[in-house]
Amino acid sequence: DSGVTQTPKHLITATGQRVTLRCSPRSGDLSVYWYQQSLDQGLQFLIQYYNGEERAKGNILERFSAQQFPDLHSELNLSSLELGDSALYFCASSAQGFGTQYFGPGTRLLVL
Amino acid sequence: QQQVKQSPQSLIVQKGGISIINCAYENTAFDYFPWYQQFPGKGPALLIAIRPDVSEKKEGRFTISFNKSAKQFSLHIMDSQPGDSATYFCAASIGSGGSNYKLTFGKGTLLTVNP
Repeated sequence: DSGVTQTPKHLITATGQRVTLRCSPRSGDLSVYWYQQSLDQGLQFLIQYYNGEERAKGNILERFSAQQFPDLHSELNLSSLELGDSALYFCASSAQGFGTQYFGPGTRLLVL
Repeated sequence: QQQVKQSPQSLIVQKGGISIINCAYENTAFDYFPWYQQFPGKGPALLIAIRPDVSEKKEGRFTISFNKSAKQFSLHIMDSQPGDSATYFCAASIGSGGSNYKLTFGKGTLLTVNP
């Protein structure tokens, strides 16, 4: 158990809908990272937050957004969902804005 | 553009054998190279990591070999066990002195260790 928690574990929704994925980092970790894992693209970095502020952006679609709250938990919002958004979404955390990243168990999103 | 290339895609070894997974990178600014292990239905878990100032790092049965001039690094699993059967990802990041440690992952290697 990495200490990173993610909810929900599974999510099934329809195209065009909006969903919110939640992540709680390990106790004391200030940085949160979001990754998308799909069969064709592999593990792709989406976005990083450090102590409430956006720190880095990767291949994140404009339909996706994230934030980190004062209690350091983070949410990833996915809107106008398409079939191709079906994937595993992982959150990771690290103590600072760098260093070892510990991954959560992921949220499996299925868009029908 | 795939910045970290991993091979092979899949690997089958016998119990007790040596598993070798290779990665090559393009960006010479990368300065942190971790390996992650992922079991089905689980998140990736850090196995071992290396920085470019050393050529080898060993932790138990797991060894990373690093060749800076060739821009390659590899994972060796000695005395492979059926419990090692998982998907292994190499990764690289930039971040020394900076604040961006996003990981760039290889495509993964599915390791199967037969009993």
